[in-house]
Amino acid sequence: GESVGLHLPTLSVQEGDNSIINCAYSNSASDYFIWYKQESGKGPQFIIDIRSNMDKRQGQRVTVLLNKTVKHLSLQIAATQPGDSAVYFCAETLNNAGNMLTFGGGTRLMVKP
Amino acid sequence: DAGITQSPRHKVTETGTPVTLRCHQTENHRYMYWYRQDPGHGLRLIHYSYGVKDTDKGEVSDGYSVSRSKTEDFLLTLESATSSQTSVYFCATGTSGTRDEQFFGPGTRLTVL
Repeated sequence: GESVGLHLPTLSVQEGDNSIINCAYSNSASDYFIWYKQESGKGPQFIIDIRSNMDKRQGQRVTVLLNKTVKHLSLQIAATQPGDSAVYFCAETLNNAGNMLTFGGGTRLMVKP
Repeated sequence: DAGITQSPRHKVTETGTPVTLRCHQTENHRYMYWYRQDPGHGLRLIHYSYGVKDTDKGEVSDGYSVSRSKTEDFLLTLESATSSQTSVYFCATGTSGTRDEQFFGPGTRLTVL
């Protein structure tokens, strides 16, 4: 697989701690949001999504929070594990044909054992 | 990777030469996308397809063309490669045109000298 050596904001956490990754999105009309995880050398992988009619959605060990007032999205990872080390991207889309996603710049999560 | 392969995985070429990247999927997904990933820009949409022979431009389409003659194949062509097109290229697929996750391939690293 491939990856890009991005100069990214980095979040460093201790294994077992909770992680919170933040994202500010750009378009107040966006109505669907996704979090992707990209491990080194691989393509992005879907984690969780949320529609604009919700403010919180939970998955397995992950929670996404959406604050439309301030156009802010966050991803919370509970009990962070070394396998969570990756770059995390948020993406937004309008209710438009083609489901064109607009990606944020990404945050690198490093988990210390 | 939802049965998505990309070829070649790595390519080095010279300025002014034509380059074609191939994306192949086995999931029978209707929608296919080409993104490029660069430091400081995250993932940006180049072109997408919403069916056989149906394509449209994305955010950064200048200098690129695409073709989709079969559901399973989506080709990205750089008619005359430039150094600014050095990047990592990702193909993605989706089942729905709106509010749905996209599945990504492993990427192709292209270097234009």
